[in-house]
Amino acid sequence: AQKITQTQPGMFVQEKEAVTLDCTYDTSDPSYGLFWYKQPSSGEMIFLIYQGSYDQQNATEGRYSLNFQKARKSANLVISASQLGDSAMYFCAMREPDYGQNFVFGPGTRLSVLP
Amino acid sequence: GAVVSQHPSWVICKSGTSVKIECRSLDFQATTMFWYRQFPKQSLMLMATSNEGSKATYEQGVEKDKFLINHASLTLSTLTVTSAHPEDSSFYICSASGQYPGELFFGEGSRLTVL
Repeated sequence: AQKITQTQPGMFVQEKEAVTLDCTYDTSDPSYGLFWYKQPSSGEMIFLIYQGSYDQQNATEGRYSLNFQKARKSANLVISASQLGDSAMYFCAMREPDYGQNFVFGPGTRLSVLP
Repeated sequence: GAVVSQHPSWVICKSGTSVKIECRSLDFQATTMFWYRQFPKQSLMLMATSNEGSKATYEQGVEKDKFLINHASLTLSTLTVTSAHPEDSSFYICSASGQYPGELFFGEGSRLTVL
């Protein structure tokens, strides 16, 4: 079974608009970490945001916020005020347990920001 | 912040030759590093977990004799693709866990093309 599901292979958003990238996960471990990474065409993986399973509040990092709904096992990434430079692949990932070594990635969503 | 560096970024080799890719943690000690493989338009697939001073742990389906991993020091892990063939052409990325939860640092990636 897929550990991480990203149902949107591709997304378009108008510049300056907000966009939500979906991510659902599957785990029976109470301790896990959820991550979002951006991968531009250059290939490097850029860390965006992290949410621990025990964190009470949704994580935020600048224009990025993570809509963490634990009961639904979803960890959607919200990008506010999209910029042309946000066009890239976005990967949701999970590490279980959170201090452990098992790290899996979702299939990714390609975001295209339109001028 | 912590930096992980990979070298080379690009490598083109002839079929049958071996290629070594280095992954270095520049300002922290990484007892564990991870090697991923990424095919075009696909997600990252974990190949192996590299542990300093011990044998690497390979994921199911990854040939140990084909992809040799050595983690000789706390700052260096190497991946050697032995007797490379065109089907080994891919993007290889390493990562290292930081000392705090949620920290996972990626190298820039190495694009291997086997002719």
